[in-house]
Amino acid sequence: DVKVTQSSRYLVKRTGEKVFLECVQDMDHENMFWYRQDPGLGLRLIYFSYDVKMKEKGDIPEGYSVSREKKERFSLILESASTNQTSMYLCASTVGHGQNNEQFFGPGTRLTVL
Amino acid sequence: DAKTTQPNSMESNEEEPVHLPCNHSTISGTDYIHWYRQLPSQGPEYVIHGLTSNVNNRMASLAIAEDRKSSTLILHRATLRDAAVYYCILRDETGNQFYFGTGTSLTVIP
Repeated sequence: DVKVTQSSRYLVKRTGEKVFLECVQDMDHENMFWYRQDPGLGLRLIYFSYDVKMKEKGDIPEGYSVSREKKERFSLILESASTNQTSMYLCASTVGHGQNNEQFFGPGTRLTVL
Repeated sequence: DAKTTQPNSMESNEEEPVHLPCNHSTISGTDYIHWYRQLPSQGPEYVIHGLTSNVNNRMASLAIAEDRKSSTLILHRATLRDAAVYYCILRDETGNQFYFGTGTSLTVIP
């Protein structure tokens, strides 16, 4: 089975903390994505990466950064967590480029910032 | 601007067909139409995709209007396991961006 795994299902952090969300895929996919999901807003793209050490901003990158040092791993970083970053975070990956490729999602990390 | 518009919720009786509509009036000629669904407490999963022609796979069928401004996901016999949020998504020519809307929450009634 192909897999995208995320380091935690649930995470509770305090305002101002630095938070790392890790995502690993075992499919040798080039492209990886980070979304957040909020009620009434659907999924919104934060950042994506199409190669190691490459990154592109999505629709809502403010307050976030990413790291892709290895092909299989894509990290989302909250430099100083704030309460408005309480959300469900979803990681995904696709192979290559093009419009036909299926996106595989991880199970999500529900982050609460107190 | 929303790229796709879907009803917030729909209900279906078990073992009956379900037609989930999606409007995408601003679709460009090179955008693909994808459908994903999200079961409770899980990440989204791929259902089906198409460009111009109707498509069938083991999970569902996709009917695309001739002008491509709308499409319909068809579940031929709804089961309780089909209860999920269904997302209609456009993928642009770069293939890198998935524009998710808020989706349709499908309830299947036993």
